Amino acid sequence: GQNIDQPTEMTATEGAIVQINCTYQTSGFNGLFWYQQHAGEAPTFLSYNVLDGLEEKGRFSSFLSRSKGYSYLLLKELQMKDSASYLCAVKDSNYQLIWGAGTKLIIKP
Amino acid sequence: ETGVTQTPRHLVMGMTNKKSLKCEQHLGHNAMYWYKQSAKKPLELMFVYSLEERVENNSVPSRFSPECPNSSHLFLHLHTLQPEDSALYLCASSQGEDSGANVLTFGAGSRLTVL
Repeated sequence: GQNIDQPTEMTATEGAIVQINCTYQTSGFNGLFWYQQHAGEAPTFLSYNVLDGLEEKGRFSSFLSRSKGYSYLLLKELQMKDSASYLCAVKDSNYQLIWGAGTKLIIKP
Repeated sequence: ETGVTQTPRHLVMGMTNKKSLKCEQHLGHNAMYWYKQSAKKPLELMFVYSLEERVENNSVPSRFSPECPNSSHLFLHLHTLQPEDSALYLCASSQGEDSGANVLTFGAGSRLTVL
């Protein structure tokens, strides 16, 4: 079957750096997405990776290794507003999105 | 209004009630989706409409009935639901469906509680 694994919950300190990992086993690969979802709000798009390597967008970066079935989301200079759930999703060979269960990130002062 | 708007934001219903969830998008997108989000579980795709035609129904029970009258509006009609149907129902839209890079824009969801 198809599967996305990511940690259920992580805690980090304001101003620090945190890395949220995502591993996947899917039938084919057509890109990997990261979304951010604050409690009670809509998930919002953060990043898309289809080629190996690092994509940087301000304080957030996303990395992909297709050979390892692995991605991470790196958040730098953490702010309290970064407390949210982070959802990893992969498009398979049929362009179907396979979702992880999300990682709840708690930022402490 | 911009983006994807869902109403109501909260709904409590008995198992014998009939209710509907509404979704509206003002982005000019041509694909719309219903997802179910339960605590600590992956998003579950329920229905996809592309150009107002239903293209996917992931073995969803018939007590959920979608309707897409035009490319901007999507409904989810609910009847004789079960307590396990309690969840957050998310609507999303995208420009196109079968593309690697097309991004979903989500609404804030309708929190459904079935008593």
